Amino acid sequence: NAGVTQTPKFQVLKTGQSMTLQCAQDMNHNSMYWYRQDPGMGLRLIYYSASEGTTDKGEVPNGYNVSRLNKREFSLRLESAAPSQTSVYFCASTRKLDWETYNEQFFGPGTRLTVL
Amino acid sequence: KNQVEQSPQSLIILEGKNCTLQCNYTVSPFSNLRWYKQDTGRGPVSLTIMTFSENTKSNGRYTATLDADTKQSSLHITASQLSDSASYICVVSGPDYKLSFGAGTTVTVRA
Repeated sequence: NAGVTQTPKFQVLKTGQSMTLQCAQDMNHNSMYWYRQDPGMGLRLIYYSASEGTTDKGEVPNGYNVSRLNKREFSLRLESAAPSQTSVYFCASTRKLDWETYNEQFFGPGTRLTVL
Repeated sequence: KNQVEQSPQSLIILEGKNCTLQCNYTVSPFSNLRWYKQDTGRGPVSLTIMTFSENTKSNGRYTATLDADTKQSSLHITASQLSDSASYICVVSGPDYKLSFGAGTTVTVRA
């Protein structure tokens, strides 16, 4: 099994450009998440999807949009990139919504995004 | 202010030695506390999870302890190996379905 995959692995954007980060999981998980990781800070939740067809804001949703395309795929879109969005982005999935009852969270390898 | 504080920020140890990482949290009430290992350039991977009623959990050479009264946890690495070089992240699951992540402790194991 591939687990959680993310594309691209690296991306450089100019301020104002848009892009979509792709995430897919092959574990038949219901819930998926997008986090960002910045130096010296813990991972912060951007958006999550408890199940196919639903999405909700996390801690830092401003400047982002998401789409739960189907049960496997959850994309993150930056409509107008800003230097403050330079970060490493991680997608994760769990069988059920993580904080309702513990179930192991699986992370993708991350996308390293630089906005100039 | 981050509700999960980890110390030290980084440490260097010699292969074969032991080390202990600390995690202090203010999240309350909490349902579980987790430790993740994150290799450079990779996503975090779960090591242990403890509920508030558990005070120790092991996974091979990794042993996590939890004192829910003092809101402290530690991760002990025994007989370190070069492959233990990574960042170790403490995560607390609290109320309002929120996970709070620590900034991590970077461990470097040298031969």
